[in-house]
Amino acid sequence: QMQLQESGPGLVKPSETLSLTCTVSGGSIRGSIYSWGWIRQPPGKGLEWIGSVYDTGNTYYNPSLKSRVTISVDSSKNQFSLKVTSVIAADTAVYYCARGLIATPRLDYWGQGTLVTVSS
Amino acid sequence: QSALTQPPSASGSPGQSVTISCTGTSSDVGAYNYVSWYQQHPGKAPKLMIFEVSKRPSGVPDRFSGSKSGNTASLTVSGLQTEDEADYYCSSYGGSNTLYVFGTGTKVTVL
Repeated sequence: QMQLQESGPGLVKPSETLSLTCTVSGGSIRGSIYSWGWIRQPPGKGLEWIGSVYDTGNTYYNPSLKSRVTISVDSSKNQFSLKVTSVIAADTAVYYCARGLIATPRLDYWGQGTLVTVSS
Repeated sequence: QSALTQPPSASGSPGQSVTISCTGTSSDVGAYNYVSWYQQHPGKAPKLMIFEVSKRPSGVPDRFSGSKSGNTASLTVSGLQTEDEADYYCSSYGGSNTLYVFGTGTKVTVL
């Protein structure tokens, strides 16, 4: 059974960089049919796709966040990562990692989510 | 790309049906048959319920069904059960560089 687990600091100061890692178990991150993505949800609000990466390293980002976001993959560790620079209070959210299907876009496995608070 | 539009809330009594709409544009919902629906209980991760407009993943009850007409997709939950009370989000492929556009979310209440 595939499992995804987010990890990283729960508190980040304004203007600093938010860094999270998603560790995949129960399956390989390699495979040309999958994408690996990050989705966030501010408290009490809806879901927002941040971006996704393929095992080739190709990346796709939400245009509204593209200038501040980097997603990368480390196949040797079965992990992929998210960096968001110059964070502000509005970046406070539960951050989820998820597996996607490339050919027929859908997110079929999700991590449990991790709350990141931006505050001094 | 703007969020897809869903009604904030919907409700029904046990055993009844509820239908949730998801309105996008000719660039997302109307352009592709890649609409998905996710169920989210409080404090939990979203769960895939419907993909490619009307297909159900293994293990999802057939009480859940999806459809699409033009720029609007719909999720119907038939035979409502108490455990169906949750938030529901639609999502659509948005084009070559936008893999996912989410809806605004609908809270379903079982009366």
